[in-house]
Amino acid sequence: EVQLVESGGGLVQPGRSLRLSCVASGFTFHDYAINWVRQSPGKGLEWVAGISYNSYTILYADSVKGRFIISRDNAKNSVYLQMNSLSGEDTALYYCVKDNSGYTNFDFRWWGQGTPVTVSS
Amino acid sequence: EVVLTQSPATLSLSPGEGATLSCRASETVSTYLAWYQQKPGQAPRLLIYDASNRATGIPARFSGRGSGTDFTLTISSLEPEDFAVYYCQQRTKWPPAFGQGTRLEIK
Repeated sequence: EVQLVESGGGLVQPGRSLRLSCVASGFTFHDYAINWVRQSPGKGLEWVAGISYNSYTILYADSVKGRFIISRDNAKNSVYLQMNSLSGEDTALYYCVKDNSGYTNFDFRWWGQGTPVTVSS
Repeated sequence: EVVLTQSPATLSLSPGEGATLSCRASETVSTYLAWYQQKPGQAPRLLIYDASNRATGIPARFSGRGSGTDFTLTISSLEPEDFAVYYCQQRTKWPPAFGQGTRLEIK
Protein backbone atom coordinates (compact mmCIF):
# COMPACT_ATOMS: atom_id res chain seq x y z
CA GLU A 1 0.00 0.00 0.00
CA VAL A 2 1.23 3.49 -0.83
CA GLN A 3 2.32 5.45 2.21
CA LEU A 4 3.59 9.00 2.42
CA VAL A 5 4.68 10.16 5.85
CA GLU A 6 5.44 13.83 6.39
CA SER A 7 7.43 15.29 9.25
CA GLY A 8 9.26 18.43 10.25
CA GLY A 9 6.35 20.76 10.82
CA GLY A 10 5.98 22.93 13.89
CA LEU A 11 5.87 26.44 15.27
CA VAL A 12 8.38 28.85 13.76
CA GLN A 13 8.89 32.60 14.01
CA PRO A 14 8.37 34.88 11.01
CA GLY A 15 11.47 35.15 8.87
CA ARG A 16 12.88 31.84 10.03
CA SER A 17 13.28 28.55 8.16
CA LEU A 18 11.86 25.05 8.40
CA ARG A 19 12.55 21.85 6.50
CA LEU A 20 9.80 19.34 5.83
CA SER A 21 10.45 15.72 4.94
CA CYS A 22 8.30 13.09 3.26
CA VAL A 23 9.23 9.42 3.35
CA ALA A 24 7.48 7.17 0.84
CA SER A 25 6.84 3.44 0.72
CA GLY A 26 4.67 0.94 -1.10
CA PHE A 27 5.66 1.96 -4.64
CA THR A 28 8.74 2.42 -6.82
CA PHE A 29 9.63 5.86 -5.53
CA HIS A 30 12.18 6.79 -8.20
CA ASP A 31 9.53 6.38 -10.93
CA TYR A 32 7.16 9.07 -9.70
CA ALA A 33 6.97 12.82 -9.36
CA ILE A 34 6.11 14.19 -5.94
CA ASN A 35 4.38 17.41 -4.98
CA TRP A 36 3.72 19.47 -1.88
CA VAL A 37 0.20 20.85 -1.44
CA ARG A 38 -0.85 22.97 1.52
CA GLN A 39 -4.19 23.68 3.11
CA SER A 40 -5.15 26.60 5.27
CA PRO A 41 -8.56 27.81 6.44
CA GLY A 42 -8.19 31.08 4.61
CA LYS A 43 -6.81 29.88 1.30
CA GLY A 44 -8.12 26.35 0.98
CA LEU A 45 -6.00 23.87 -0.98
CA GLU A 46 -2.95 25.32 -2.72
CA TRP A 47 -0.29 23.51 -4.75
CA VAL A 48 3.16 24.59 -3.56
CA ALA A 49 5.87 22.74 -5.46
CA GLY A 50 6.54 19.66 -7.56
CA ILE A 51 9.59 17.63 -8.56
CA SER A 52 9.92 15.08 -11.34
CA TYR A 53 11.23 11.55 -10.83
CA ASN A 54 14.78 12.51 -11.79
CA SER A 55 14.74 16.04 -10.32
CA TYR A 56 15.17 17.54 -13.79
CA THR A 57 11.85 19.38 -13.58
CA ILE A 58 11.15 21.46 -10.50
CA LEU A 59 8.19 23.81 -10.31
CA TYR A 60 6.99 26.28 -7.70
CA ALA A 61 3.89 28.31 -7.05
CA ASP A 62 4.50 32.03 -7.44
CA SER A 63 3.69 32.51 -3.77
CA VAL A 64 6.76 30.51 -2.68
CA LYS A 65 9.17 30.91 -5.57
CA GLY A 66 12.54 32.17 -4.37
CA ARG A 67 11.82 31.15 -0.77
CA PHE A 68 11.08 27.41 -0.90
CA ILE A 69 13.26 24.64 -2.33
CA ILE A 70 12.01 21.16 -3.15
CA SER A 71 14.45 18.28 -3.49
CA ARG A 72 14.50 14.51 -3.39
CA ASP A 73 16.82 11.65 -2.51
CA ASN A 74 15.75 8.54 -4.40
CA ALA A 75 18.14 6.37 -2.39
CA LYS A 76 16.22 7.31 0.73
CA ASN A 77 12.73 7.36 -0.81
CA SER A 78 12.41 10.91 0.45
CA VAL A 79 11.35 14.36 -0.67
CA TYR A 80 12.14 17.55 1.17
CA LEU A 81 10.76 21.07 1.28
CA GLN A 82 13.15 23.71 2.56
CA MET A 83 11.08 26.72 3.55
CA ASN A 84 12.85 30.03 4.08
CA SER A 85 11.72 33.55 4.98
CA LEU A 86 8.49 32.21 6.40
CA SER A 87 5.51 34.47 7.05
CA GLY A 88 2.05 34.03 8.50
CA GLU A 89 0.77 33.41 4.97
CA ASP A 90 2.67 30.12 5.02
CA THR A 91 0.77 28.78 8.01
CA ALA A 92 -0.95 25.63 6.79
CA LEU A 93 -1.09 21.87 6.83
CA TYR A 94 1.46 20.63 4.28
CA TYR A 95 0.71 17.46 2.35
CA CYS A 96 3.12 15.31 0.39
CA VAL A 97 1.32 14.10 -2.74
CA LYS A 98 2.30 11.42 -5.22
CA ASP A 99 1.81 12.17 -8.91
CA ASN A 100 0.62 9.50 -11.32
CA SER A 101 3.72 9.61 -13.49
CA GLY A 102 7.36 10.49 -13.34
CA TYR A 103 6.59 13.98 -14.58
CA THR A 104 4.84 16.81 -12.83
CA ASN A 105 1.43 16.23 -14.37
CA PHE A 106 -0.36 17.37 -11.20
CA ASP A 107 -2.33 14.13 -11.22
CA PHE A 108 -2.61 13.87 -7.43
CA ARG A 109 -3.41 10.23 -6.82
CA TRP A 110 -2.18 9.64 -3.25
CA TRP A 111 -1.84 12.02 -0.29
CA GLY A 112 0.02 11.79 2.99
CA GLN A 113 -1.64 12.83 6.23
CA GLY A 114 0.14 16.16 6.38
CA THR A 115 2.41 18.02 8.76
CA PRO A 116 1.29 21.34 10.30
CA VAL A 117 3.31 24.51 10.00
CA THR A 118 2.48 27.55 12.12
CA VAL A 119 4.35 30.80 11.58
CA SER A 120 3.93 33.10 14.53
CA SER A 121 5.97 35.18 16.93
CA GLU B 1 -4.60 31.29 -13.92
CA VAL B 2 -7.64 29.01 -14.04
CA VAL B 3 -10.22 29.67 -11.35
CA LEU B 4 -12.56 26.87 -10.33
CA THR B 5 -15.92 27.82 -8.85
CA GLN B 6 -17.85 25.15 -6.99
CA SER B 7 -21.56 25.28 -6.26
CA PRO B 8 -23.37 25.15 -4.04
CA ALA B 9 -21.11 26.07 -1.14
CA THR B 10 -23.20 23.86 1.14
CA LEU B 11 -25.63 21.11 0.22
CA SER B 12 -28.00 19.70 2.84
CA LEU B 13 -29.44 16.29 2.01
CA SER B 14 -30.61 13.11 3.69
CA PRO B 15 -29.10 9.63 3.39
CA GLY B 16 -30.56 7.83 0.41
CA GLU B 17 -31.01 11.00 -1.62
CA GLY B 18 -28.98 11.82 -4.70
CA ALA B 19 -26.46 14.66 -4.79
CA THR B 20 -25.16 16.75 -7.67
CA LEU B 21 -22.13 19.00 -7.15
CA SER B 22 -20.92 21.47 -9.74
CA CYS B 23 -17.51 22.80 -10.69
CA ARG B 24 -17.08 25.52 -13.30
CA ALA B 25 -13.70 26.56 -14.73
CA SER B 26 -12.87 30.10 -15.84
CA GLU B 27 -11.42 28.68 -19.05
CA THR B 28 -11.40 25.31 -20.69
CA VAL B 29 -9.54 22.54 -18.90
CA SER B 30 -10.49 19.80 -21.40
CA THR B 31 -11.21 16.73 -19.25
CA TYR B 32 -8.28 17.14 -16.88
CA LEU B 33 -10.41 17.62 -13.83
CA ALA B 34 -10.41 15.61 -10.60
CA TRP B 35 -12.72 15.37 -7.60
CA TYR B 36 -11.62 14.76 -4.01
CA GLN B 37 -13.45 13.98 -0.82
CA GLN B 38 -12.17 15.25 2.51
CA LYS B 39 -13.45 14.27 5.93
CA PRO B 40 -12.53 16.11 9.14
CA GLY B 41 -8.99 15.41 10.24
CA GLN B 42 -8.18 13.47 7.06
CA ALA B 43 -6.29 14.19 3.88
CA PRO B 44 -8.20 14.63 0.62
CA ARG B 45 -8.96 11.34 -1.12
CA LEU B 46 -9.14 11.08 -4.89
CA LEU B 47 -12.58 10.05 -6.12
CA ILE B 48 -12.62 10.87 -9.84
CA TYR B 49 -9.78 11.67 -12.23
CA ASP B 50 -9.88 13.01 -15.77
CA ALA B 51 -13.50 14.07 -15.31
CA SER B 52 -15.17 10.67 -15.35
CA ASN B 53 -12.82 7.91 -14.17
CA ARG B 54 -13.35 6.47 -10.70
CA ALA B 55 -10.19 6.03 -8.69
CA THR B 56 -9.29 2.64 -7.29
CA GLY B 57 -11.70 1.46 -4.61
CA ILE B 58 -14.27 4.21 -5.14
CA PRO B 59 -17.86 2.95 -5.05
CA ALA B 60 -19.96 3.02 -8.20
CA ARG B 61 -22.43 5.48 -6.65
CA PHE B 62 -19.85 8.20 -7.38
CA SER B 63 -19.73 9.40 -10.96
CA GLY B 64 -18.29 12.39 -12.76
CA ARG B 65 -18.99 13.99 -16.06
CA GLY B 66 -18.21 17.07 -18.07
CA SER B 67 -15.61 18.64 -20.30
CA GLY B 68 -14.37 22.09 -21.15
CA THR B 69 -15.60 24.37 -18.39
CA ASP B 70 -18.54 22.58 -16.74
CA PHE B 71 -18.28 19.50 -14.59
CA THR B 72 -20.48 17.60 -12.17
CA LEU B 73 -19.94 15.02 -9.47
CA THR B 74 -22.99 12.90 -8.79
CA ILE B 75 -23.56 10.64 -5.81
CA SER B 76 -26.49 8.44 -6.70
CA SER B 77 -27.70 7.49 -3.21
CA LEU B 78 -26.03 9.06 -0.22
CA GLU B 79 -24.52 6.85 2.43
CA PRO B 80 -23.80 8.24 5.92
CA GLU B 81 -20.06 8.17 5.20
CA ASP B 82 -20.47 10.43 2.14
CA PHE B 83 -21.12 13.56 4.17
CA ALA B 84 -17.88 15.49 3.78
CA VAL B 85 -16.29 18.34 1.81
CA TYR B 86 -15.70 17.84 -1.91
CA TYR B 87 -13.11 19.66 -4.01
CA CYS B 88 -12.46 19.80 -7.72
CA GLN B 89 -8.99 20.35 -9.20
CA GLN B 90 -7.72 21.09 -12.69
CA ARG B 91 -4.34 20.08 -14.10
CA THR B 92 -4.57 21.38 -17.64
CA LYS B 93 -3.05 24.78 -17.06
CA TRP B 94 -0.19 25.71 -14.75
CA PRO B 95 -0.55 26.27 -11.85
CA PRO B 96 -2.82 23.41 -10.85
CA ALA B 97 -5.77 24.81 -8.97
CA PHE B 98 -8.49 23.67 -6.61
CA GLY B 99 -12.03 24.86 -6.14
CA GLN B 100 -13.11 26.27 -2.79
CA GLY B 101 -15.12 23.18 -1.92
CA THR B 102 -18.72 22.08 -1.42
CA ARG B 103 -19.76 20.95 2.03
CA LEU B 104 -22.24 18.09 1.91
CA GLU B 105 -24.07 17.97 5.21
CA ILE B 106 -26.80 15.84 6.69
CA LYS B 107 -30.21 17.45 6.58
